[in-house]
Amino acid sequence: ELKVEQNPLFLSMQEGKNYTIYCNYSTTSDRLYWYRQDPGKSLESLFVLLSNGAVKQEGRLMASLDTKARLSTLHITAAVHDLSATYFCAVNQGGKLIFGQGTELSVKP
Amino acid sequence: GAVVSQHPSWVICKSGTSVKIECRSLDFQATTMFWYRQFPKQSLMLMATSNEGSKATYEQGVEKDKFLINHASLTLSTLTVTSAHPEDSSFYICSARDRASYEQYFGPGTRLTVT
Repeated sequence: ELKVEQNPLFLSMQEGKNYTIYCNYSTTSDRLYWYRQDPGKSLESLFVLLSNGAVKQEGRLMASLDTKARLSTLHITAAVHDLSATYFCAVNQGGKLIFGQGTELSVKP
Repeated sequence: GAVVSQHPSWVICKSGTSVKIECRSLDFQATTMFWYRQFPKQSLMLMATSNEGSKATYEQGVEKDKFLINHASLTLSTLTVTSAHPEDSSFYICSARDRASYEQYFGPGTRLTVT
């Protein structure tokens, strides 16, 4: 059974600082997703990573994938308040998405 | 871009009644749709996989007689919560898999409150 674990689960950051969210998964998968969720809202797609060594960047967020280590990271650069949200990674298993627990990010001035 | 809609966006119902939630893919065809449930401060839990023209596949621990799923066309799946109880109150999110690209797109969610 595929397990997906994120850490940390809660992250309080100051504006301007950098930090990384980690996503570990237990079995081989062909794709990994990162989503953002604002309170009361559904998921917003951020990145899909398809191959080992894949790196994608959008604004202050950069995601990478190491399939050998079964690890993905979401790096936040120079955080701003607008990035406050919950971030989920999800791994494809036979067409189904298995989600991590989520990381609740709070960026404070 | 690929758009998935859900209706209603929120619903309040009395305990013991049934409520139906619709999930539609607006600009693509989806042979497969997924239903998730999310409790406050928790992750999304897959409830069932809905396949067009066939019976849904339920995840372990999900009562198929309580959560009725129908996927009657390539653009519509419905979830009916039967005999709802307060513990069924949750945020229900569907996703639809584009039959062309195989990518999943999420709906905006339906907040169900059972009183």
